[in-house]
Amino acid sequence: DVVLTQSPLSLPVTLGQPASISCRSSHSLVHSDGDTYLNWFQQRPGQSPRRLIYKVSSRDPGVPDRFSGSGSGTDFTLKISRVEAEDVGVYYCMQGTHWPTFGQGTKVEVK
Amino acid sequence: EVHLVESGGGLVQPGGSLILSCAASGFSFSSYWMSWVRQAPGKGLEWLAIIKHDGSEKYYVDSVKGRFTVSRDNAKNSLYLQMDSLRGEDTAVYYCARGGQLAAGEWGQGTLVTVSS
Repeated sequence: DVVLTQSPLSLPVTLGQPASISCRSSHSLVHSDGDTYLNWFQQRPGQSPRRLIYKVSSRDPGVPDRFSGSGSGTDFTLKISRVEAEDVGVYYCMQGTHWPTFGQGTKVEVK
Repeated sequence: EVHLVESGGGLVQPGGSLILSCAASGFSFSSYWMSWVRQAPGKGLEWLAIIKHDGSEKYYVDSVKGRFTVSRDNAKNSLYLQMDSLRGEDTAVYYCARGGQLAAGEWGQGTLVTVSS
């Protein structure tokens, strides 16, 4: 199984300040088709997960441009340029290159 | 707009069975792979099963292989998850998602399954 390790697991943030979450994979996430299927999901309290980023850095429709994804191979990052109150929740990285697995989740909360 | 609505969850005894349904609308259901994903209370996410758009290919995570069966009825725009030999560790919110492992971007709101005596 591909293990995704997120850090930090808890991220207290100040509104208006940037935030960054790391996701490291136990295996390369480069698919045989050449793409890298690393996604980021946001789960707000009481809601189902919502995909924000797919294939490392592509934003889903309606996702604010303060969210950005980067990385390659086994190391990936989700950045929020200026945290807003509505960004509070748990963020998961997920890989679809192999049998799909998720990171443990990073809880983003306001300081 | 893509809409996925799960149903069928509830309380079931260990060793029992349950069938979950997912009603899809807002897209051409028969053209998409579909998936089931679950989340145990207060825990992370686990991808359970994937089914090809025509139902000809099905894939499962090891933890449910032989106990869970994914199926679909394209005429009814519906996805199903037959769950047998249920265990306490199967207690979770179950989500259906549009797409297979490469592109599951839309999820339903989930249905809660509780396995307890």
